[in-house]
Amino acid sequence: SAVISQKPSRDICQRGTSLTIQCQVDSQVTMMFWYRQQPGQSLTLIATANQGSEATYESGFVIDKFPISRPNLTFSTLTVSNMSPEDSSIYLCSVSRRNTEAFFGQGTRLTVV
Amino acid sequence: QKEVEQNSGPLSVPEGAIASLNCTYSDRVSQSFFWYRQYSGKSPELIMSIYSNGDKEDGRFTAQLNKASQYVSLLIRDSQPSDSATYLCAVINQAGTALIFGKGTTLSVSS
Repeated sequence: SAVISQKPSRDICQRGTSLTIQCQVDSQVTMMFWYRQQPGQSLTLIATANQGSEATYESGFVIDKFPISRPNLTFSTLTVSNMSPEDSSIYLCSVSRRNTEAFFGQGTRLTVV
Repeated sequence: QKEVEQNSGPLSVPEGAIASLNCTYSDRVSQSFFWYRQYSGKSPELIMSIYSNGDKEDGRFTAQLNKASQYVSLLIRDSQPSDSATYLCAVINQAGTALIFGKGTTLSVSS
């Protein structure tokens, strides 16, 4: 399995600001994903981070709110823009190969005040 | 959109007992199934993957898949207090890429 480093591990942010979360993998991976886990809830897929092209967003998530970059096969960022308290969640980076299991970074615990 | 259903629990078992966790899924063509364990404040970690009908055993864990009934389960034998966590069932999405997760079942093992 790949080693996935995510940072920051946690942050407290003011509403209306933006936070960029970084995800670094120790090997080249085809597929990288971003999930959100709201308090007491399960994981919801935000988007697939595509290398060299625009991310593919799931229903309910838009690029203006959650811009994603993936400049190469080992790195991706997720930005949470114009934050509100409803954005307080754990954000998780994940990698996998097609039709196989996924592995997760340690997550970023975001609190918006 | 595929759906994955789990009983949220909590499921409480005494130490040494067998814990049985269940999951159903809506898409009949689903092919890949996974169980993850998530401790409070931690990210999910993979316990088992299963791709074909029947049982798959790994130590104290057994995953069972019945595609006809669209049902996948996880048995934990000789449950330990350290097994207390939330267990997430997941299936591959239609594109064969990302995972779709159930809401998870919270397991509590008492000593």
